[in-house]
Amino acid sequence: GAVVSQHPSWVICKSGTSVKIECRSLDFQATTMFWYRQFPKQSLMLMATSNEGSKATYEQGVEKDKFLINHASLTLSTLTVTSAHPEDSSFYICSAKGTDTQYFGPGTRLTVL
Amino acid sequence: SQQGEEDPQALSIQEGENATMNCSYKTSINNLQWYRQNSGRGLVHLILIRSNEREKHSGRLRVTLDTSKKSSSLLITASRAADTASYFCATAAGPTGTYKYIFGTGTRLKVLA
Repeated sequence: GAVVSQHPSWVICKSGTSVKIECRSLDFQATTMFWYRQFPKQSLMLMATSNEGSKATYEQGVEKDKFLINHASLTLSTLTVTSAHPEDSSFYICSAKGTDTQYFGPGTRLTVL
Repeated sequence: SQQGEEDPQALSIQEGENATMNCSYKTSINNLQWYRQNSGRGLVHLILIRSNEREKHSGRLRVTLDTSKKSSSLLITASRAADTASYFCATAAGPTGTYKYIFGTGTRLKVLA
């Protein structure tokens, strides 16, 4: 099956700093990628839909200026958590849309101190 | 936003027994998928069922879909300790080519050896 990678797999940062997470489709092109966040023992919540070459579409309640998404190429989408705070600590997962399904990255665990 | 609710939230069974998880959703869908997630890890795609299908099998997995009741079930037969994980349904809805995938609340399955 198709492979999606995320980098880094985990990151610890200080409050107030910005963190960038990369999502790459390794063996296919993805015009659409999705970003999710998952709190412990909870489900995945869709944050935004990332479209190559255009602005991301954010879900209700997700701050655009807080979570910057850039889908600069057909194989790369990035999520930047700006001015991170401890409440932003979470598991962030991206996925790339295939024909019928979506292929998930392994996730990035963000801890903000 | 969460499209689906799953029940039970948690399920504990003995190895060799069958496990059934149910997913209900709110709006019309294009397809429904089941995923598995081991603790703290990424998601593994298990099976996809389209809106015009009623049942699909894959190894020890059986998925049913009832669009009139807006519900789906995942049956794992002859469960093994290695099946211990969280299971999520995800529904794809929207115009063709612009699906977005919304996850259910998940079922935490524990299979006791």
